[in-house]
Amino acid sequence: NAGVTQTPKFRVLKTGQSMTLLCAQDMNHEYMYWYRQDPGMGLRLIHYSVGEGTTAKGEVPDGYNVSRLKKQNFLLGLESAAPSQTSVYFCASSPQIGQGYPEAFFGQGTRLTVV
Amino acid sequence: AQTVTQSQPEMSVQEAETVTLSCTYDTSESNYYLFWYKQPPSRQMILVIRQEAYKQQNATENRFSVNFQKAAKSFSLKISDSQLGDTAMYFCAFMGLRGAQKLVFGQGTRLTINP
Repeated sequence: NAGVTQTPKFRVLKTGQSMTLLCAQDMNHEYMYWYRQDPGMGLRLIHYSVGEGTTAKGEVPDGYNVSRLKKQNFLLGLESAAPSQTSVYFCASSPQIGQGYPEAFFGQGTRLTVV
Repeated sequence: AQTVTQSQPEMSVQEAETVTLSCTYDTSESNYYLFWYKQPPSRQMILVIRQEAYKQQNATENRFSVNFQKAAKSFSLKISDSQLGDTAMYFCAFMGLRGAQKLVFGQGTRLTINP
């Protein structure tokens, strides 16, 4: 019963490097989200998807790109990492209302450090 | 845009005491969901309790209960008979149902239960 799985769990990048975070869910949820968590700021929405092939910007989308080519996967990309992107990243998924309670299920988080 | 405010950055109580965490939110929607999530040191986001706005009865889950005041846009969490395992960050979250289902978080309250 995997739920939501994020890879990797930890990563250190140099400024200017690129990377992709992978999120996979096995609950057939329509909605998927990427959040970043910074001290004193709670979780802020980066991008989200309302279904396969769709993406939309959240509160803090600059410097990130996403793709959802398959319903179960939601990828978050950093094209040119900056120290300001040092954070803990969470992926989440949620069923669409009418298909279950619209409750978000979270992955374990990825701690990213950009030096 | 919806906003969620948690005015208590940190709280500390003795084991077995009752503690109440505050949350206020701002929205123009009439139907929505409210959540409390717990984040222990393991970093995992765990759903504590959920409230549907159209339900007047306050939600309860064992030692956890909420005081939902829709007119005041207030959603506080009460933890009874607190236990050492309740030590964690607690996040209040709002999910509107108009348009996309986006989860908006408060800044969090760090709760410490002392032996």
